[in-house]
Amino acid sequence: AQTVTQSQPEMSVQEAETVTLSCTYDTSESDYYLFWYKQPPSRQMILVIRQEAYKQQNATENRFSVNFQKAAKSFSLKISDSQLGDAAMYFCAYRSATGGSEKLVFGKGTKLTVNP
Amino acid sequence: DVKVTQSSRYLVKRTGEKVFLECVQDMDHENMFWYRQDPGLGLRLIYFSYDVKMKEKGDIPEGYSVSREKKERFSLILESASTNQTSMYLCASSSGRLLYNSPLHFGNGTRLTVT
Repeated sequence: AQTVTQSQPEMSVQEAETVTLSCTYDTSESDYYLFWYKQPPSRQMILVIRQEAYKQQNATENRFSVNFQKAAKSFSLKISDSQLGDAAMYFCAYRSATGGSEKLVFGKGTKLTVNP
Repeated sequence: DVKVTQSSRYLVKRTGEKVFLECVQDMDHENMFWYRQDPGLGLRLIYFSYDVKMKEKGDIPEGYSVSREKKERFSLILESASTNQTSMYLCASSSGRLLYNSPLHFGNGTRLTVT
């Protein structure tokens, strides 16, 4: 079974600085998708960014980018120019692209604090 | 925008009660999910459904059942609530059986307390 590990339970960053959240995963599959979700205090989980494993190019969405290292099974999230609204729980998730599996496997989350 | 609506934001129930958590999505999504979120444990999948009347067990189905009689509605049932089922419950939906890059759309969650 696939597992997702987020080794940093909590992180903090100064406003306008850059922070990187770590995520590693364990799988024997070659085709899959990876996601980062954000859960602000309002509780609604929101998709931040996604990456297809077959793509070598790292995904970017405005101030959010990933460093995808397939061989190392690593998928870190970089937040540039951090804003107070970035404060949230961040979850990394894995989804197989084989076998018709619909479910996502989530990590335990990293709580990000943004200091003014 | 996809909207996933969970019927209750907060719920307090007594041990042994039968509890229904309701979830409705308005985007004609095939897939619907129930996750449980606990501090330090992340999100764990309870059940999911990829079609009406279809259901599959997730990682922690014990003590739960589900119902999907209509495409837009997915209900989670706690047959006999226990204190260890006190948790945050998140419903989600996604489109397409084989659209692997299709993201989950989440509801706002139901915080259930069982006393």
